[in-house]
Amino acid sequence: SAVISQKPSRDICQRGTSLTIQCQVDSQVTMMFWYRQQPGQSLTLIATANQGSEATYESGFVIDKFPISRPNLTFSTLTVSNMSPEDSSIYLCSVEGQGYTDTQYFGPGTRLTVL
Amino acid sequence: GQNIDQPTEMTATEGAIVQINCTYQTSGFNGLFWYQQHAGEAPTFLSYNVLDGLEEKGRFSSFLSRSKGYSYLLLKELQMKDSASYLCAVKAAGNKLTFGGGTRVLVKP
Repeated sequence: SAVISQKPSRDICQRGTSLTIQCQVDSQVTMMFWYRQQPGQSLTLIATANQGSEATYESGFVIDKFPISRPNLTFSTLTVSNMSPEDSSIYLCSVEGQGYTDTQYFGPGTRLTVL
Repeated sequence: GQNIDQPTEMTATEGAIVQINCTYQTSGFNGLFWYQQHAGEAPTFLSYNVLDGLEEKGRFSSFLSRSKGYSYLLLKELQMKDSASYLCAVKAAGNKLTFGGGTRVLVKP
């Protein structure tokens, strides 16, 4: 399986600030995804991070709020902008492809609390 | 639209068997996943079904019927460490996963 790391593992932030979350994979992967898991809820897809092009966002999520970068096949970042307490969630990246086809593996997640 | 249903919670006794059902209605289907998620941790991949039938992996088995839009995850010889949430997810177009609400399984001694 893929070895995926995320930074930071957790953070407590003030309302109105922004946080950038990093996702690093141990090998090249075709597809990277960002999910949000709100307290007590299941996972919701935020966007697909495409290498070399803009991310593709799901309904209810916009680039201004969640800008994403994908500079190469092993790395991506998700920024949570102008945070409010409603953004308090676990943010997870997942990967698929390049030897991990048909299966998506998840990173350990970033637990964000917004005060 | 996407609709994936699974029971919210199930309780079973150590050593017993539990079956978690998942029904889905999705636009497009490229396979169904089951993940295990312990509290405070990331989901861990358990199984992937794309063809009808049963896939067995040790104590865990997963079944798929595409015509019925139905899957189940079977956990045998339950252990205390199996207490977790079990997430059913359908892969549709673009390799995107849509998750059900998750089933919290509580294993009692």
